[in-house]
Amino acid sequence: EAGVAQSPRYKIIEKRQSVAFWCNPISGHATLYWYQQILGQGPKLLIQFQNNGVVDDSQLPKDRFSAERLKGVDSTLKIQPAKLEDSAVYLCASSRGLAGDNEQFFGPGTRLTVL
Amino acid sequence: AQSVSQHNHHVILSEAASLELGCNYSYGGTVNLFWYVQYPGQHLQLLLKYFSGDPLVKGIKGFEAEFIKSKFSFNLRKPSVQWSDTAEYFCALRSARQLTFGSGTQLTVLP
Repeated sequence: EAGVAQSPRYKIIEKRQSVAFWCNPISGHATLYWYQQILGQGPKLLIQFQNNGVVDDSQLPKDRFSAERLKGVDSTLKIQPAKLEDSAVYLCASSRGLAGDNEQFFGPGTRLTVL
Repeated sequence: AQSVSQHNHHVILSEAASLELGCNYSYGGTVNLFWYVQYPGQHLQLLLKYFSGDPLVKGIKGFEAEFIKSKFSFNLRKPSVQWSDTAEYFCALRSARQLTFGSGTQLTVLP
């Protein structure tokens, strides 16, 4: 079974530029998550989708971050404009459903450096 | 609000030593608890989980964890570590629909 795919793996941009990350979840997984992991910290949930609907985006900085999952499969996370403090690894995860006993499977992440 | 604390940021052990990594959580309701591991250059992966029932849960690679409700703890243990256990370990709590992670413990096992 193929895992969660993410691209790009690395991205370096200057502050105030925009950037987009892509995620392809495991086939058949209805729930998709985006996490931000700052160096020295654990992953923090940014947004959670169930199919193409947003379940929880309470921790997403909506003035600069946006995410979509239009067809309920792939997802894109965008930052516009980026700030220095956005430097982090952005992880995508997926699970079969929302129930707590559904294991979340993580992708390799995209490491973003904002200069 | 829910939170997870991992007080050991970096643990260094020799091979065959016993391991215990601390995890404490703060949440008033029913919790599901997890330990995730991230080996160098690899994805985060599930090590073990607790939902209900026997508070002593066993995971992959000889790891186990004990849920102690009265202490709000879910410590990870392994009787004898190997060099290949070198990794970062994250404790996580799931309540409602959100997974909250601790800050992680970097374990280095010296050969």
